[in-house]
Formats: sequence, C-alpha cells, structure tokens
Amino acid sequence: EIVLTQSPGTLSLSPGERATLSCRASQSVSSSYLAWYQQKPGQAPRLLIYGASNRATGIPDRFSGSGSGTDFTLTISRLEPEDFAVYYCQQYGSSLWTFGQGTKVEIK
Amino acid sequence: QVQLQESGPGLVKPSETLSLTCAVSGYSISSGYYWGWIRQPPGKGLEWIGNIYHSGSTYYNPSLKSRVTISVDTSKNQFSLKLSSVTAADTAVYYCTRLGWGSSYFDYWGQGTLVTVSS
Repeated sequence: EIVLTQSPGTLSLSPGERATLSCRASQSVSSSYLAWYQQKPGQAPRLLIYGASNRATGIPDRFSGSGSGTDFTLTISRLEPEDFAVYYCQQYGSSLWTFGQGTKVEIK
Repeated sequence: QVQLQESGPGLVKPSETLSLTCAVSGYSISSGYYWGWIRQPPGKGLEWIGNIYHSGSTYYNPSLKSRVTISVDTSKNQFSLKLSSVTAADTAVYYCTRLGWGSSYFDYWGQGTLVTVSS
C-alpha cells in the first residue's frame, strides 16, 4: 500500500501570500493518479486537482498542481480568505485509493 | 448536476451492522462510472472504504474488507454500504462519492452523514 505523507501539518499564512503544500509518496505514483481536495469545516471535501496538474471544473487558476514520481505539490498563488481550509492529497494504485493526512492552511 | 445524498441511522449499537444508502440524482448509475464510500472520524483524515460499478464489480479497502459490503440498485438509482460488527472506532462521517473519469479520483461528494457507534 502506498502511504502519502503531507507536509507541513499546518501552514500559517496571511491573505495574499503564496502557499506551497507537499505530498510525498512511499512509492512512485503515476501522475495520472494523484489528486488534491479542499475541505472546510462541516463540509464535504471538494476536488481541486486531478491527474497531478489538472484543475477540476470551476476551480480558480490560483490553484495549481505539479510533481511526479514520489513528490507532488499544490500551490495557491495568492491566498484568498476562502482558501483557509484543510487540503488532502490522494492517490490511486493497485486497486487501492489512499489519502494523505492533510495540511491545514490557517490565517496567520 | 450530479447530486448524492446519504441516508441511514445516525446511531448504531456496538457489534451491530451499520447500513447507509446513497441516492443519486442528475445522473443514471447505469450509464457508468464507479461509485464509492469514504469516511472521516471526528477531527481526523479521510479513509477510503470501497467502490462499486453498476455491474456490481467492487473494490474494498483491505483493512475493512471482511466487514464491508457495497451493493447497487440501478432501478432506484442508489447504492448502499453495510459495515458489520461495528465498534466505537467506526464512528465517523460517511460520504458517498462518484469516481471521475478513469476512476482514480472522487469528483462528486454527498454532504456526509455522521454515524455514531454507542450503546
């Protein structure tokens, strides 16, 4: 089973700043099979990025994904007030779907 | 617009079976895509439970496989989750989802339903 480790656990930033979130896999993940989600308190997760770098429908272009192999990154170019939330990466491989433990982006 | 809505008891006794149903609107399950269940214990991260195709083909999380059954009812456009022999560790918000094209990610989610395991 591929384990995803996200860092940092918490990111304290101000609106307008750039956020860089990391997701590291214990084994190589196909770029086609890496996704990112945003979750706000009391809400279901929302798909942001699939295939490592493809924005889901309706996702603003300040969100971007990159990476390959075992290292993937979600970047939020300029944080808006509504972007403060928890972010999860997720991979698919060998008929298993697994999530990272999450990174909380909080207001500094 | 695809919409998913979970329903079922919010309280289940230890050792009993948790049963949830996900009603799908805006899309016919018979038309394709995999459909899945994910859970989230209070204050914790996301755990994949399993997926099902309209044909009945399933994939389960190995850590839950012995206790999980996911089924589909295309006539009612819904799918269901059964988790047997529950304990307090199964207390969580349960989400039903649709897997996107290629079945590697989850593109539509229900609002989630909290199931508490307690006597």
